[in-house]
Amino acid sequence: GNSVTQMEGPVTLSEEAFLTINCTYTATGYPSLFWYVQYPGEGLQLLLKATKADDKGSNKGFEATYRKETTSFHLEKGSVQVSDSAVYFCALPRGNAGNMLTFGGGTRLMVKP
Amino acid sequence: GAVVSQHPSRVICKSGTSVKIECRSLDFQATTMFWYRQFPKKSLMLMATSNEGSKATYEQGVEKDKFLINHASLTLSTLTVTSAHPEDSSFYICSAREPYSDEQFFGPGTRLTVL
Repeated sequence: GNSVTQMEGPVTLSEEAFLTINCTYTATGYPSLFWYVQYPGEGLQLLLKATKADDKGSNKGFEATYRKETTSFHLEKGSVQVSDSAVYFCALPRGNAGNMLTFGGGTRLMVKP
Repeated sequence: GAVVSQHPSRVICKSGTSVKIECRSLDFQATTMFWYRQFPKKSLMLMATSNEGSKATYEQGVEKDKFLINHASLTLSTLTVTSAHPEDSSFYICSAREPYSDEQFFGPGTRLTVL
C-alpha cells in the first residue's frame, strides 16, 4: 500500500522564522495528499491538501506543492508564529480506494517568541 | 467545513469497567467512520473502519471483542472499550468521511485513563 515518511521533530524555531517540514511518499498512481495539524490536547484538523501533481495547497500561510518528480509534499511557511506550535502530520490514502488514510509519524513544531 | 464531535472528551475509569465513546457527524451523513488510537507523542494508529449498518473492519492486531464498534446510524458511531485495563489508556480519535470524498474530518479526541 501507499506510505509516507516525514521528518522527525521536534523542530524548534524563533517567531518569524521560515519553516520547512519534509514529507515524501510512496504511492501507486497519484492520490490526494494532505497535511493535518494537531494542537495540544485536540484532534486533527485538515490544514491543506492537493489532489493532483503540481497542485499547491495553501491555508493560514502554509503551503505545500505536490511534486511527483521527487514524490514529495513538503510543508512550508514563510514566517511562523507562536500559535503555529503544534504537531503536523502528512497523510495520503492507504490504497487506491481512497478510503483509509495512512499518516506519517508527525513532526512537532515549537515556536519560541 | 464539516464538524465531527466526540463525547466524552475525557474519561477516567477503574480497571475492569467498560467505557463508551461516541462519535457524531453534526452536519453531514457519514457512511464511513474511522477509529484511531494515539499514544503520547506518536502518530495515529487506525483501529477499525466503521460502516453504517454493517460490522466494523478491524486492523490486524486490534481485538474486536475488546473494542466494540457500532455504527447504528449515518451520524453516530460508538467505540466501547470493554473490561478496560491501564494499558488501554490512550487518546482515541474518530473521523468521518463524506460520501464521494477522500477527505476525513476528525473529532477532537477522547482521553481515556484507566486506573
